[in-house]
Amino acid sequence: KQEVTQIPAALSVPEGENLVLNCSFTDSAIYNLQWFRQDPGKGLTSLLLIQSSQREQTSGRLNASLDKSSGRSTLYIAASQPGDSATYLCAVRPGGSQGNLIFGKGTKLSVKP
Amino acid sequence: DTEVTQTPKHLVMGMTNKKSLKCEQHMGHRAMYWYKQKAKKPPELMFVYSYEKLSINESVPSRFSPECPNSSLLNLHLHALQPEDSALYLCASSQEGGLGTQYFGPGTRLLVL
Repeated sequence: KQEVTQIPAALSVPEGENLVLNCSFTDSAIYNLQWFRQDPGKGLTSLLLIQSSQREQTSGRLNASLDKSSGRSTLYIAASQPGDSATYLCAVRPGGSQGNLIFGKGTKLSVKP
Repeated sequence: DTEVTQTPKHLVMGMTNKKSLKCEQHMGHRAMYWYKQKAKKPPELMFVYSYEKLSINESVPSRFSPECPNSSLLNLHLHALQPEDSALYLCASSQEGGLGTQYFGPGTRLLVL
């Protein structure tokens, strides 16, 4: 059974710092991995999607990497801003699935001005 | 347009009520999903529709009844719910097979009294 773990559970940094969020999964047979952002009481906003054949994806200040063989992904946020404060969720689409995602518990990020 | 809309935003219902949640997307996606998210927990899959047919039911109690009347709409009919069903209900859509990005709506916050 696929399990997704995110470390740390919470992170507080001063504005301007670069930071890394970690995601690990137990079964390397995945189609893709997706990073989301969720603000309190809101829906999920897709940040980056990495297909299983890809190593990384970039969007603005965000860079996500994928090492499928070791079951790891990282989300790198450059020059963090208070507006980046949110919960970041990692989700994998298991191989052979109908498209459903398996989520980690998330990392709650707080960027202090 | 990458928007998934959900109505209502908030819903309060008694245990004897019947209500429906609605979800709509106009991205031409043929896979649609219902997730349930309890406070401080990650989303958990409830149902997957593929080409308007139910393809996954994650052992959800029958008091939740999904419906996909056409390729753009997804409903979740609620009847005789329990207080523990109070949660954020999220709808999502993606290309068939889930190989692409999964886009989420803002959710419906449900409170069962």
